[in-house]
Amino acid sequence: NAGVTQTPKFRVLKTGQSMTLLCAQDMNHEYMYWYRQDPGMGLRLIHYSVGEGTTAKGEVPDGYNVSRLKKQNFLLGLESAAPSQTSVYFCASSPLGSSYNEQFFGPGTRLTVL
Amino acid sequence: AQSVTQLGSHVSVSEGALVLLRCNYSSSVPPYLFWYVQYPNQGLQLLLKYTSAATLVKGINGFEAEFKKSETSFHLTKPSAHMSDAAEYFCAVSGWTGGKLIFGQGTELSVKP
Repeated sequence: NAGVTQTPKFRVLKTGQSMTLLCAQDMNHEYMYWYRQDPGMGLRLIHYSVGEGTTAKGEVPDGYNVSRLKKQNFLLGLESAAPSQTSVYFCASSPLGSSYNEQFFGPGTRLTVL
Repeated sequence: AQSVTQLGSHVSVSEGALVLLRCNYSSSVPPYLFWYVQYPNQGLQLLLKYTSAATLVKGINGFEAEFKKSETSFHLTKPSAHMSDAAEYFCAVSGWTGGKLIFGQGTELSVKP
């Protein structure tokens, strides 16, 4: 199993450009998450999904949109990128919604917005 | 609301020395607590988790953590540091039944030869 994969690994955008980050998992997990990681701030939840066709806002959702059309995929979109969105983005998945289930993380996407 | 505080953004130890990374949490309900490790340019990997079965939790790579309710702490320890332990460590608390994790700020561990 590949686990959680993310595409692309690196990307540089200009302010105002749009892009989509793709997360895929092959573990048949119900829950999927998008986080951003910034120095000194840990990981902050952007959006999450509790199942195919459902999404919800996390802690820092502004400027991002998501879609979960297929159970195995979770897309994160930036419609008009801003320098404040320069960050490392991590996708994670979890087999169930119960609190004690660990989350499995992808390798990350490093995004720079100029 | 739940929160996690990691004391010390950077900890440096000598190889063979004790590793102690501090984590304090705040939770209005019994928490589930996690320690994750992130090696350079990689994703997060679970080290260990507390799910109320036992207060002393053993994880991978010789790490362990003790849940102390009276101190609202979940500190991570390893008796003898190895160069390969150099990484960033994150403490997290589970915030709701949906499995959402709330992370601390992270502690970067350096190991000196």
